[in-house]
Amino acid sequence: GENVEQHPSTLSVQEGDSAVIKCTYSDSASNYFPWYKQELGKRPQLIIDIRSNVGEKKDQRIAVTLNKTAKHFSLHITETQPEDSAVYFCAAPILTGGGNKLTFGTGTQLKVEL
Amino acid sequence: DADVTQTPRNRITKTGKRIMLECSQTKGHDRMYWYRQDPGLGLQLIYYSFDVKDINKGEISDGYSVSRQAQAKFSLSLESAIPNQTALYFCATSDPPGGTIDDEQYFGPGTRLTVT
Repeated sequence: GENVEQHPSTLSVQEGDSAVIKCTYSDSASNYFPWYKQELGKRPQLIIDIRSNVGEKKDQRIAVTLNKTAKHFSLHITETQPEDSAVYFCAAPILTGGGNKLTFGTGTQLKVEL
Repeated sequence: DADVTQTPRNRITKTGKRIMLECSQTKGHDRMYWYRQDPGLGLQLIYYSFDVKDINKGEISDGYSVSRQAQAKFSLSLESAIPNQTALYFCATSDPPGGTIDDEQYFGPGTRLTVT
């Protein structure tokens, strides 16, 4: 079926290093790709998103890249800080007869070590 | 986001009991969603509603039902709770701008449900 795969499931980096999380999707019609951050005990919150008419989007230390041909997109966090430690989820809309459904990846637990 | 609220925040119930989780929003959004979160499985869509008269099943609707009482309210019911429905449940809303298919979803604080 249509799904979104996310890797790695856990990622540990040293403070100041970069972190990259990758997702692949199966529905070639998908055209919106958000990334959510969920801190421990909190709700998921959108940190960045990209639409299919662009290949890259940046917001300070975070960026998302999209390769529609290969059907994958990635989250890049530079100069990581302890407050970046959280679970990150990618998502993509799966278009069905009943309407658009946002399908989430299984999450990446990012730990930024001092 | 205080604009999306869920009640109760925590609930312990017994197998076979009927339970309702409620979601309210003051964002004026038409679209509302119910998700279930289990460790290592991400967020799985249970039901979603694009307006008051529209209800759609998600990936894991078996054992659940919903009611969209108004634009601002979307309730999730477990008709006969079972232990494997123990999870964290999130409500969310969205309001895509005209011409776009999807946009940011705003999540409620979550309801932690334990079925014993």
